Amino acid sequence: DAGVIQSPRHEVTEMGQEVTLRCKPISGHNSLFWYRQTMMRGLELLIYFNNNVPIDDSGMPEDRFSAKMPNASFSTLKIQPSEPRDSAVYFCASSLRGKGLVTFGSGTRLTVV
Amino acid sequence: QKEVEQDPGPLSVPEGAIVSLNCTYSNSAFQYFMWYRQYSRKGPELLMYTYSSGNKEDGRFTAQVDKSSKYISLFIRDSQPSDSATYLCACGSNFGNEKLTFGTGTRLTIIP
Repeated sequence: DAGVIQSPRHEVTEMGQEVTLRCKPISGHNSLFWYRQTMMRGLELLIYFNNNVPIDDSGMPEDRFSAKMPNASFSTLKIQPSEPRDSAVYFCASSLRGKGLVTFGSGTRLTVV
Repeated sequence: QKEVEQDPGPLSVPEGAIVSLNCTYSNSAFQYFMWYRQYSRKGPELLMYTYSSGNKEDGRFTAQVDKSSKYISLFIRDSQPSDSATYLCACGSNFGNEKLTFGTGTRLTIIP
């Protein structure tokens, strides 16, 4: 099993640009999560999906952030326009609902200058 | 106040020592508890989980939960330099909903 795959690993962009982060969950997992990690705030849940449907997006900081899951094997997190305060490590994670075991990807380190 | 509080450390101990990592939580709805280990520039990896008060042991690691005081602990025996990482506690309300609330993590260094 290749685990949760995220791309890109690193992203440096200028303020105002659109950023798209990508995630491929573990095959067979039906829950997918997007987290953001910073030194100040730790690991925060942004949004999670069950069976490709967004269930809770209360952690999405503002309208500049959007997430989609068009099918069971792919999800995107988009920031438009990006701001320096969005700089963080963004993690995608997946699980098999009901089993309670969440597996994380290696993360995308985003720097907005 | 955060729902899950964790001392960020850093914590440095000599190799072979027993390490104690702790979290407190405030939400009574939390029913299951996890510890994740995160190496530098890597994603968190699940170390242990439990959904009841008491102890759970796995090799050198013991997870302890006291729901009456809302206190969770992770003990590492015979600590090794490879245990150097950030340890995050996480709490969830039920297995049908894997939305986890994390502590901020404790950075641990084991000194050879």
